Amino acid sequence: QKEVEQDPGPLSVPEGAIVSLNCTYSNSAFQYFMWYRQYSRKGPELLMYTYSSGNKEDGRFTAQVDKSSKYISLFIRDSQPSDSATYLCASLTGGGADGLTFGKGTHLIIQP
Amino acid sequence: DTAVSQTPKYLVTQMGNDKSIKCEQNLGHDTMYWYKQDSKKFLKIMFSYNNKELIINETVPNRFSPKSPDKAHLNLHINSLELGDSAVYFCASSQDEGAGGYTFGSGTRLTVV
Repeated sequence: QKEVEQDPGPLSVPEGAIVSLNCTYSNSAFQYFMWYRQYSRKGPELLMYTYSSGNKEDGRFTAQVDKSSKYISLFIRDSQPSDSATYLCASLTGGGADGLTFGKGTHLIIQP
Repeated sequence: DTAVSQTPKYLVTQMGNDKSIKCEQNLGHDTMYWYKQDSKKFLKIMFSYNNKELIINETVPNRFSPKSPDKAHLNLHINSLELGDSAVYFCASSQDEGAGGYTFGSGTRLTVV
């Protein structure tokens, strides 16, 4: 079983909609949780990171972590065509030397 | 003033050849990484390295070897290239073991023919 599970999509929504992206994980040692955005033929770009459970908001983006259910979410409000990309969730143990464990990524398409 | 830069961006080579990919970061980070992204877009860590230790993912063949001449550079050497090595290779760096996130380079697309 992969440690971070993510639906690959594609997920297609109309412009202006609220987007919900989700991941589940199995490793209880994960303490840090991140969301990356990757445009085609580019490197992943860090969007949000959180420590342990809770919410974090940055502009149109909100990240949520529920450690009790091992569930990670990213919400995008007022979605724009420029948000079309692959979104990757990632987790990290406290030690850090293991490196980030990524989900497979969800391909998001925002229709104008 | 790119934060993490990799060269070359594209690399096409024949099976059996030996090749290197270079990576440099100007962020002053203390840890650098190599990740492999396969055709299904799955990102998997290959190595993490700081000035104290090298952590190798046990699934990485020993044909792959990282070389770090200094804190700002982590190069990837690949010997006896195989068709299955075709992928996009990303270099990344972080501070404090990555709790604040990693910064990735733009990737090197390796094609073995």
